[in-house]
Amino acid sequence: GAGVSQSPSNKVTEKGKDVELRCDPISGHTALYWYRQRLGQGLEFLIYFQGNSAPDKSGLPSDRFSAERTGESVSTLTIQRTQQEDSAVYLCASSLGGLGDSGELFFGEGSRLTVL
Amino acid sequence: SQQGEEDPQALSIQEGENATMNCSYKTSINNLQWYRQNSGRGLVHLILIRSNEREKHSGRLRVTLDTSKKSSSLLITASRAADTASYFCAPLRGSYIPTFGRGTSLIVHP
Repeated sequence: GAGVSQSPSNKVTEKGKDVELRCDPISGHTALYWYRQRLGQGLEFLIYFQGNSAPDKSGLPSDRFSAERTGESVSTLTIQRTQQEDSAVYLCASSLGGLGDSGELFFGEGSRLTVL
Repeated sequence: SQQGEEDPQALSIQEGENATMNCSYKTSINNLQWYRQNSGRGLVHLILIRSNEREKHSGRLRVTLDTSKKSSSLLITASRAADTASYFCAPLRGSYIPTFGRGTSLIVHP
């Protein structure tokens, strides 16, 4: 596709339910990032994938959060047993090269999660 | 991580005026990028300035970088209502994950 695609764009769920958020990066981009943005706040780094290397999970806030990426394609961020504080916009970004390239990040439009 | 801090947090100006936003960071960098985020949207890359550059222009945007002061500024000249958005800086270095501060929220009144 032309850009980074995220789905769903909006998700409303009840506390305690699991949710899956999907990110489709730009074709050929080896690096993929997940960020969380609470209302009026900056972006909080969650996880980074680079090619087939082990992901950098240092930003995941708890073990309820996990993410997968198969090769250089789609990534899924899963939040188990959602809590109200998980309500936020989850942004995915991809870049052509990895961290050392310091290249431009291309962001999706985000998935807005509301936990009731 | 290497996070930039944007200042001011909020800026309100009239159409036609110039808008200046600042970014400070703490360690040495390879380059610094500025991004814009319209309300409810993802971030969009605006401009990149390398550590060996002092100033860069792109259309109505002018970015400066002072590595001795570990700071950068973004100037938007002749602002338009469509420039209303949040602006973020991302200082980048080697293997550090790009991180973003709270940004500067710019409102341009028509």
